[in-house]
Order: sequence, then C-alpha cells, then structure tokens
Amino acid sequence: AQSVAQPEDQVNVAEGNPLTVKCTYSVSGNPYLFWYVQYPNRGLQFLLKYITGDNLVKGSYGFEAEFNKSQTSFHLKKPSALVSDSALYFCAVRVPWAGSYQLTFGKGTKLSVIP
Amino acid sequence: EPEVTQTPSHQVTQMGQEVILRCVPISNHLYFYWYRQILGQKVEFLVSFYNNEISEKSEIFDDQFSVERPDGSNFTLKIRSTKLEDSAMYFCASRASGAGLNTEAFFGQGTRLTVV
Repeated sequence: AQSVAQPEDQVNVAEGNPLTVKCTYSVSGNPYLFWYVQYPNRGLQFLLKYITGDNLVKGSYGFEAEFNKSQTSFHLKKPSALVSDSALYFCAVRVPWAGSYQLTFGKGTKLSVIP
Repeated sequence: EPEVTQTPSHQVTQMGQEVILRCVPISNHLYFYWYRQILGQKVEFLVSFYNNEISEKSEIFDDQFSVERPDGSNFTLKIRSTKLEDSAMYFCASRASGAGLNTEAFFGQGTRLTVV
C-alpha cells in the first residue's frame, strides 16, 4: 500500500526567505503526486501536480515542487515566502496503474511565515 | 471560479443518530469523493462515486455509511447510526472526466461533524 510522509509538523520561515515543505512517498510504480493547501476555514485547494515529464513542476501562487524518483521525494518550494502563504500544506499520492482514483495524503505541515 | 460547496459547515449530533452531509460538486464534474480527517490525523479516503454507483471504497466505509446523488446536483454522505469515533472533518471532492487519472480533484471547505 502507498504512503506519504511529511516529516515536519511545522515549518517556520521569515517573510522573503525561501521555503521548503518536505514530502516523501512510498509506492510501487510511478505515482502521481499532488500538493494541496488548506487555509483556515477553507477546503483543500489544489496547488500543483506531477504526472510525468519535467521533474520540476510549477503551480499556483509561485509554488513549485521537484520530483526526485531516486529519493522518492516531492518537496514543495517557493523562492520568497509571503505572510499570506501561512497555511496547512498536504502532499498526496495516487497510484494510477491500480485503476484507483483515491488520494493518499500525508499528515500535513503547518507553514508559518513570520513578518 | 467554480467550487465545491458543503453544508452545513458544522454539525453536532447525538450518538446513534443519523446524519446527512451535503455537497454540491462542480457542475460538469463526473467523479465524486468523500474524505475525512479526524483531528490531528491524516486525510483519509472514504469512497468514490461515478455513474451513479460506488467505484471504490475504503475499509472505513462500512455498512453505516452510504452515498447518494439524489437529484443530479447534490452528493450526500449518510451515516446511519453515528458513533463518537465518527467525529471528524468530512471533505467532499469532485473531478472532471478529463484525461483519465490526470485531472486533479477539487475539494469543498469541509463539514465538521461532532458526535456527542
């Protein structure tokens, strides 16, 4: 069965500094990988996905993520953090070959951007 | 921008009572899902629904749970006899048919269910 690990419960970063939110996965085969963000009292909003092709994918709000197959990682990054980026970030994986549509989520990482 | 909407935002119910959580998916989407997140734990898959039938369900989705698309716009999750451990945030999601499994799911804001 697939699994996703987000090793940090919380990440604190100063405004204007680069940020990284880590995600590793465990799955057989080639996964589809996703990042979602949850702002307070809001649903999960899609940020970006990796399906195939270029390992660096760009998404909404200036975020990007790099797929690293050898390290089974899909870390979320942004060059310059904004206070408004403070939210809960979820990494998720889907295994397409199984014919399954379900997403397996990590536990989430709370990002706090300090002014 | 189209969005998935869920009602109510918070539901408090007594143990043993039936509860129905409601969702209005994005209008041209064909795949529908329910997920839940117990406080402090991971978001977990419950069920997927396509073409008026369940296409996949997890072990969490036992006989106490059912889903329905009663009128072509709403998508509901019913819990027949709630238990304390059903207390969680329940997320509805929908997905367009698009390029097979490549399309992403869009989630609602969630319904917080509290069983007392």
